[in-house]
Amino acid sequence: QVQLVQSGAEVKKPGASVKVSCKASGYTFTSYDINWVRQATGQGLEWMGWMNPNSGNTGYAQKFQGRVTMTRNTSISTAYMELSSLRSEDTAVYYCARFYSGSYYDSYYYYMDVWGKGTTVTVSS
Amino acid sequence: DIQLTQSPSFLSASVGDRVTITCRASQGISSYLAWYQQKPGKAPKLLIYAASTLQSGVPSRFSGSGSGTEFTLTISSLQPEDFATYYCQQLNSYPITFGQGTRLEIK
Repeated sequence: QVQLVQSGAEVKKPGASVKVSCKASGYTFTSYDINWVRQATGQGLEWMGWMNPNSGNTGYAQKFQGRVTMTRNTSISTAYMELSSLRSEDTAVYYCARFYSGSYYDSYYYYMDVWGKGTTVTVSS
Repeated sequence: DIQLTQSPSFLSASVGDRVTITCRASQGISSYLAWYQQKPGKAPKLLIYAASTLQSGVPSRFSGSGSGTEFTLTISSLQPEDFATYYCQQLNSYPITFGQGTRLEIK
């Protein structure tokens, strides 16, 4: 079945970096963008950016520019999100999601249909 | 950035009730809007995309409507498993943004 499997929970100190992985299975990894979304405890969903696994092209939310890097390894169908200069406010659950983009006649469709279960990142001294 | 404002933020309802959640965009987004359901400790689940298209496997009691700047998610007859938090999301332009969420609780 189509799924995204994320790496396990991380505990980091302020100023450190974290790299979260997202392994795709059940579909052609290079055919769909991967997006990253995070959620602090008790808060809403916050979009971080996207990556095209075929080209490696990326786009990041302004808030994370300069601190986030999204990469992939196509040989193992895995996407990565690295966040640097961590601070306590980065404590959150980080999700990867498959981004569907398609069209039917004159209509275009975009949505995130498959999500990983999330990776908890805790930033604490 | 496009801001999405959901109302209400909190909703208390009973099994069998019909409920409607509204999502307003700060500028027109055509029909590039999706709705997600999230339960505690779980990832969001796609319910509706393109404002009104039901995702495969989602019960037909869920429906969506709207275009431009105003959208609604309706649950025609609440079931116990529907008590969760609901988010709208715009995919018209980057950055992708979400509404603040509507928490639906049992009365």
